[in-house]
Amino acid sequence: GQQLNQSPQSMFIQEGEDVSMNCTSSSIFNTWLWYKQDPGEGPVLLIALYKAGELTSNGRLTAQFGITRKDSFLNISASIPSDVGIYFCAGQLGNKLTFGTGTQLKVEL
Amino acid sequence: SAVISQKPSRDICQRGTSLTIQCQVDSQVTMMFWYRQQPGQSLTLIATANQGSEATYESGFVIDKFPISRPNLTFSTLTVSNMSPEDSSIYLCSGVEGISFGYTFGSGTRLTVV
Repeated sequence: GQQLNQSPQSMFIQEGEDVSMNCTSSSIFNTWLWYKQDPGEGPVLLIALYKAGELTSNGRLTAQFGITRKDSFLNISASIPSDVGIYFCAGQLGNKLTFGTGTQLKVEL
Repeated sequence: SAVISQKPSRDICQRGTSLTIQCQVDSQVTMMFWYRQQPGQSLTLIATANQGSEATYESGFVIDKFPISRPNLTFSTLTVSNMSPEDSSIYLCSGVEGISFGYTFGSGTRLTVV
């Protein structure tokens, strides 16, 4: 099935740094979602975006729904050790989600 | 949001056997889905579990290999049939309530086929 292109594939950053990751698609989506997955767990929803151009924040997280409806980005400000994990974008069309390839975030103390 | 429980959380199975994974939601959800996540990979949708009728499978997945049941709005099962080592993956159940589209996931079932 289709997957969304997510970059970077992995990041190794210092605690306190800001992080940015993005997701692009050849298809348009009606909703963009960002999830975080910890080892041994299922993905947990971080932010949902419902309108093209929408910018939404959730604490230190900020995400935007691209104006073309084919992309989205997620920013994490002032990273902390518990931000470690794999971040997935997901585009929704109809009732189905298509997931990105994932960004693995590692934080150095 | 709904809380989704999956059983078993992990299993090691012999090739050629079948395993049934259970998914229980603590509230009624309009839609339930089953995903596969191969080691180090993203999530791929297997099928939409339809209440009281046959599941809707995605390309590359068939009912004979992955039979799914959903007898009510809070419970579903996925069977991985005639397993081979290539079926070693994490299988995840997901549900969505109403039109909120807040898709919630279970913790997954980590399957190893030997």
